[in-house]
Order: sequence, then C-alpha cells, then structure tokens
Amino acid sequence: DGGITQSPKYLFRKEGQNVTLSCEQNLNHDAMYWYRQDPGQGLRLIYYSQIVNDFQKGDIAEGYSVSREKKESFPLTVTSAQKNPTAFYLCASSISGSGGGYTFGSGTRLTVV
Amino acid sequence: AQRVTQPEKLLSVFKGAPVELKCNYSYSGSPELFWYVQYSRQRLQLLLRHISRESIKGFTADLNKGETSFHLKKPFAQEEDSAMYYCALSVQGAQKLVFGQGTRLTINP
Repeated sequence: DGGITQSPKYLFRKEGQNVTLSCEQNLNHDAMYWYRQDPGQGLRLIYYSQIVNDFQKGDIAEGYSVSREKKESFPLTVTSAQKNPTAFYLCASSISGSGGGYTFGSGTRLTVV
Repeated sequence: AQRVTQPEKLLSVFKGAPVELKCNYSYSGSPELFWYVQYSRQRLQLLLRHISRESIKGFTADLNKGETSFHLKKPFAQEEDSAMYYCALSVQGAQKLVFGQGTRLTINP
C-alpha cells in the first residue's frame, strides 16, 4: 500500500517540551514538505526538502526544525520556542519538479496542554 | 511576493445550482495553478491543475492571466461536492506550493 504516513494522529505536549512528528513515504518521491493548517489561514509552509540531506525554510519556520537523513523520512520537531504550536500538521511529498502534484498524509493534530 | 487569495471562507449553494469558487493570485513569474480538495475525514487531494485543462468530477478551472484568477466552476452542484477547497500556486525555482486560505463549500439538498 503505497503512500505517505504521519504519526501519531493525535499528540499532546506540555508547554516547554519539544515534540517530534513523524512523516514517512514509500512513493520514492524526492521532495517532502511540512505545512501547518489553521482555521481561516489555509496551509502555511514550515519546511521543505528537495533532496536528502538538504532542506529549506518555508514561511513560518521559526520554532520548528527538520532533518532529511533518508529519502523516505522527513520528521518535524516542534520546539519550545514555537509560541503557538497547537495546530494540525500536514506532511506531503512529490516527485521533484512535478509542478504541484502533491500527495498528502492524513495529518497530526498537536495540542499543547 | 507570491500570494493566493480565496475571498470566500464559506460558500453555500443548493443542489443543482451552479458553483463558482474564486481564486486570485499574485505572482511575477509564469503561474502554475492547482485546486486541491479535502472531503470530510479524508486527506487533502489534488482536484485539477490548469496545465491539464481537464474536467474532474464536473469541475473546470480556467487560468485568466489578465485578471490573475483561477476560479473553480461546476454547472450543477451535487451534495457530494461539499468539502474544503484550496487554490494553490506553484513557485518555480523554489519548487513549492503556496496555498490560499481555503473555501468551505456546502451543498444544501
């Protein structure tokens, strides 16, 4: 079953803690992306990676960090520096240069308690 | 800077009526535009892209460079069209998508 898997589906974090969201794909896609989805604000790009061991900041990278050590994996860490981390996080992947045909994961809802 | 604007957060029409979801963009390069859809409890998925000039599920969208618009249209709405719709712009070189704020479409029976 090819696709992109995000885990966990729901995540609770205490203030001041770092937390890592998992994103794995078996589509052999080169590019991977992290978006944050908030009501009324659409999807905002956090980080993206076109190839292994390389990634770029998106529009709202502050308080987040990523790594891309393997083609299949693009984990996102929400650090304690992120002031408003409660949100729905979406991971996506695409064939590099495909021009926007993204495959999305099912998302992780992060809540700070 | 590139920007995508969907002026309607909510849109409600009756079954069988025409639907138009508005999308305007701001981009200095040659635009590539897309519509994505998210049905209830499903993943966000690609609906159509302007370069394909295709009709998917009865929806079409025409790129109007003069008006910098890419409105999504369907002549006769169906209840299963109820969903969240996002317009997106591909930024060349950076190879990333910029999304609009989204429009929640509700089709009333």
